[in-house]
Amino acid sequence: GAVVSQHPSWVICKSGTSVKIECRSLDFQATTMFWYRQFPKQSLMLMATSNEGSKATYEQGVEKDKFLINHASLTLSTLTVTSAHPEDSSFYICSAFTSNTEAFFGQGTRLTVV
Amino acid sequence: DAKTTQPPSMDCAEGRAANLPCNHSTISGNEYVYWYRQIHSQGPQYIIHGLKNNETNEMASLIITEDRKSSTLILPHATLRDTAVYYCIVRVSGGNQGGKLIFGQGTELSVKP
Repeated sequence: GAVVSQHPSWVICKSGTSVKIECRSLDFQATTMFWYRQFPKQSLMLMATSNEGSKATYEQGVEKDKFLINHASLTLSTLTVTSAHPEDSSFYICSAFTSNTEAFFGQGTRLTVV
Repeated sequence: DAKTTQPPSMDCAEGRAANLPCNHSTISGNEYVYWYRQIHSQGPQYIIHGLKNNETNEMASLIITEDRKSSTLILPHATLRDTAVYYCIVRVSGGNQGGKLIFGQGTELSVKP
């Protein structure tokens, strides 16, 4: 099946710094990608929809200035967590749909802010 | 908000069929039913999706009721590696321009020896 790859798989950063997470569709083009966040023992929560060549669409309650999304090409979307704080520690996951309506997810990025 | 209801947990004996139910009574005519599963600390894995006909692939079968208000995911011969959280999601399809996937709480399936 199609592959969506995230990098890094895990990252530890100091409070106040910024962290960039990459999401790539390896064998298909994705005009739209989705970013999710998942806290322990909880389900995935959609944060935003990333649109190639245009601004991302954020879900209610998600701070667009804190979670910067860039979708500069048909195979790459990035999520930057700015001025990270311990409460931003979470599992971040991206996904993209292929043209035949299947959505594939990245392996996730575990962010720990200390 | 998620538009599906699933039991929070289920057990299944190894080698037996696992039948996971899902209610989606408010589903619209243009919404598909998708199933994903998530093994601990990994990204969700696509299993199967369908509109109104029953579907089968190498992983599972999807049975959708005639009124489309509920569906059942069937893992024909469950193994220990099928232990995971299973999510049933409805989505307006449209290729890669369709609607987003909104996750509910899912069903935690435990396959026991």
